Amino acid sequence: DIQMTQSPSSLSASVGDRVTITCRASQIISTYLNWYQQKPGKAPNLLIYAASNLESGVPSRFSGSGSGTDFTLTISSLQPEDFATYYCQQSYSTPWTFGQGTKVEIK
Amino acid sequence: QVQLVESGGGVVQPGRSLRLSCAASGFTFNIYGMHWVRQAPGKGLEWVALIWYDGSNKYYADSVKGRFTISRDSSKNTLYLQMNSLRAEDTAVYYCAREVAMIGNQEAFDIWGQGTRVTVSS
Repeated sequence: DIQMTQSPSSLSASVGDRVTITCRASQIISTYLNWYQQKPGKAPNLLIYAASNLESGVPSRFSGSGSGTDFTLTISSLQPEDFATYYCQQSYSTPWTFGQGTKVEIK
Repeated sequence: QVQLVESGGGVVQPGRSLRLSCAASGFTFNIYGMHWVRQAPGKGLEWVALIWYDGSNKYYADSVKGRFTISRDSSKNTLYLQMNSLRAEDTAVYYCAREVAMIGNQEAFDIWGQGTRVTVSS
């Protein structure tokens, strides 16, 4: 199975900050990497697909990059509604696996 | 609108069975692969099972293989998860999710249900 490791596990940031979350795969997955946002008590929501493509309706302050084994999710200017937990997920091979999550909290 | 609605969760004793359902609406159900994903209390997301659009192939996480069965009924636009021999560690919110090919064959979960809670406890 492909292991996905996110860092950090949590971070504190202020509104307006630039935030970067990283995700590393245990083997090469090309760009088969998606990012999801989850708020408490809610289902996850797709933000970025195929490593760098913004899902329709997602604000442009979110961006993704990377290929191979190393990937990044960036929020260019953190907004109050962005405080949530973020997960990366690989769709390169079954079983599809998620990172452990990164919780973005208010500083 | 496009939506998935899960049902069937509840409290069940260890060793017993439960069947979850996921009703799809607003899209052509029988052209999409469908998944179950679960989330234990306070934990991250864990992929559980996948069924191809036509039901011809099914895949399972090692943690549920041999105990859970994914199926679908296209006449009812419904996805199922039959869970047998339940254990305490199966306690979680269970989500169904639609798989879509976003670019080429690179897939993602673009639609999720609201989740149904399963608690395994004596």
